[in-house]
Amino acid sequence: GAVVSQHPSWVICKSGTSVKIECRSLDFQATTMFWYRQFPKQSLMLMATSNEGSKATYEQGVEKDKFLINHASLTLSTLTVTSAHPEDSSFYICSAGGLAADTQYFGPGTRLTVL
Amino acid sequence: AQKITQTQPGMFVQEKEAVTLDCTYDTSDPSYGLFWYKQPSSGEMIFLIYQGSYDQQNATEGRYSLNFQKARKSANLVISASQLGDSAMYFCAMRRTGANNLFFGTGTRLTVIP
Repeated sequence: GAVVSQHPSWVICKSGTSVKIECRSLDFQATTMFWYRQFPKQSLMLMATSNEGSKATYEQGVEKDKFLINHASLTLSTLTVTSAHPEDSSFYICSAGGLAADTQYFGPGTRLTVL
Repeated sequence: AQKITQTQPGMFVQEKEAVTLDCTYDTSDPSYGLFWYKQPSSGEMIFLIYQGSYDQQNATEGRYSLNFQKARKSANLVISASQLGDSAMYFCAMRRTGANNLFFGTGTRLTVIP
């Protein structure tokens, strides 16, 4: 099946710094990728839809200036958490549409801890 | 608007037995897709099974089957012959046809007892 990778798998940073998370589709091209956020013991919430070559579409309540998304190629999307604060600590998961229209493949996730 | 409801926060099942995880949904869209994902403690989301709203037959994938009752708007996951490795969080999700993003339920934590 299709493989999606994320890097880093975990990151600890100081409050006020920025963190970049990469999402790559390894064996297929993804014109659209999705970024989700998952707080402990909660469900996944869609943050934004990342479109290759154009601006991301953010869900209501998600600050686009804080969560910068870039989808520069068909295999790479990045999420940058700018000026991170402890409340941004969460599990961030990306996904990409699979080879079949009915599937969506997820990356392994990135656990962000902001001190 | 779409809504996914999983009413079972936790379920226990004896090894080798079958278990049903409930999922109901609400949508006004005539065409949609329903998914089940497994999330082990490591965090990755593993795709299990898919059911299209116009599919006539219930989806099956190995030990997983989806009990799709369109009139009741339910899409329960049935896991047969449970294994210890099935212990994980299970999420039901829905996607409108033509859109790609998924709406997730709150999840059910399944624990398989030896």
